[in-house]
Amino acid sequence: QKEVEQNSGPLSVPEGAIASLNCTYSDRGSQSFFWYRQYSGKSPELIMFIYSNGDKEDGRFTAQLNKASQYVSLLIRDSQPSDSATYLCALEAGRRALTFGSGTRLQVQP
Amino acid sequence: EPEVTQTPSHQVTQMGQEVILRCVPISNHLYFYWYRQILGQKVEFLVSFYNNEISEKSEIFDDQFSVERPDGSNFTLKIRSTKLEDSAMYFCASSADSYGYTFGSGTRLTVV
Repeated sequence: QKEVEQNSGPLSVPEGAIASLNCTYSDRGSQSFFWYRQYSGKSPELIMFIYSNGDKEDGRFTAQLNKASQYVSLLIRDSQPSDSATYLCALEAGRRALTFGSGTRLQVQP
Repeated sequence: EPEVTQTPSHQVTQMGQEVILRCVPISNHLYFYWYRQILGQKVEFLVSFYNNEISEKSEIFDDQFSVERPDGSNFTLKIRSTKLEDSAMYFCASSADSYGYTFGSGTRLTVV
């Protein structure tokens, strides 16, 4: 059974700081990993995906993947109050269906 | 920017009634999905659809659920006899490949 674990938070960071969000997973067959942002009452919005070990950067966001440790993280640099949301980690194990974690709530304090 | 459109945004139905949730995926996408999110819980996969047939479904997607692509643009989820526990936000999504789902804004289903 695929499991995706995230700390529910809230993770509170001051504006301008780096927010670090973490995710572990149980299925070693997982191939692709996704980070979604979800504002309250809204649908998930894709931030980034990663499928190779290492770092992948896109603007203020960096995704990190370590398949040996079964660990994915998302760094948000220069955090803004508008980044306050729930961040969902998701994985795909080759069949297109996504398995989501329960999400980490991020609060960026002005 | 292309978007996935879902209607209605909110549906209230009586227990035991049939509901149909509608979605218009992005026009050049080939893969379609339904997910649900019970209030305060995880987003859960229900079903994926490709080439006019179901390609994968979860344990949640039992005989009470069905999907259909009745024409070239719509993608529907039918719940035959709703239960209280079907109350959730239902998200349609579509993708052109494995690396980018686009979710619709969702239909909030309330079963009373």
